[in-house]
Amino acid sequence: DAKTTQPTSMDCAEGRAANLPCNHSTISGNEYVYWYRQIHSQGPQYIIHGLKNNETNEMASLIITEDRKSSTLILPHATLRDTAVYYCIVRVGYGNKLVFGAGTILRVKS
Amino acid sequence: GAVVSQHPSWVICKSGTSVKIECRSLDFQATTMFWYRQFPKQSLMLMATSNEGSKATYEQGVEKDKFLINHASLTLSTLTVTSAHPEDSSFYICSASAGTGATNEKLFFGSGTQLSVL
Repeated sequence: DAKTTQPTSMDCAEGRAANLPCNHSTISGNEYVYWYRQIHSQGPQYIIHGLKNNETNEMASLIITEDRKSSTLILPHATLRDTAVYYCIVRVGYGNKLVFGAGTILRVKS
Repeated sequence: GAVVSQHPSWVICKSGTSVKIECRSLDFQATTMFWYRQFPKQSLMLMATSNEGSKATYEQGVEKDKFLINHASLTLSTLTVTSAHPEDSSFYICSASAGTGATNEKLFFGSGTQLSVL
């Protein structure tokens, strides 16, 4: 299974873009990169996912490097409510399950 | 996005009793549901995968007789913590998928159940 590496924590000023990096150097060609976030004492919330092209939705943008060994989640205008643990996950090649790593604690500060 | 409802949100029970947690997919048929547990300040740990109409598949180290999973319909899976002990106190979270098997399929999560065993 492809593993991911994320920084333990990051701070971001309110209103600025939050850029959360993720390394997944062992990813295979048919594995997708998923991002979820978890606000304290809640279930994880889906943010975005992609295979090799950059993706954007109403919540965030996902930039995947050409070699697919790393990606960056971008929250364009972070708010205090974006404070959460952000998980970068490579989807296991068999079955549907998501295996969570340690994630990045993002603190948005005013 | 799709809605997954989990009930109860929190439960307190005495040691030795059993507790049932329900996970429902409200607007789609979930052929597969997943159960996770999460200890304070730790990440989610996958416990088991349940498929409608068949036995659950447990991750290594998870006691199947301790954590009974039933997935009797396409919209409901239950997790029963049997003979609960204080060390079973944790945040339990379910997720559900329509089960296409595609690696680009989204999984949606319930809001979690905080179990406290006294």
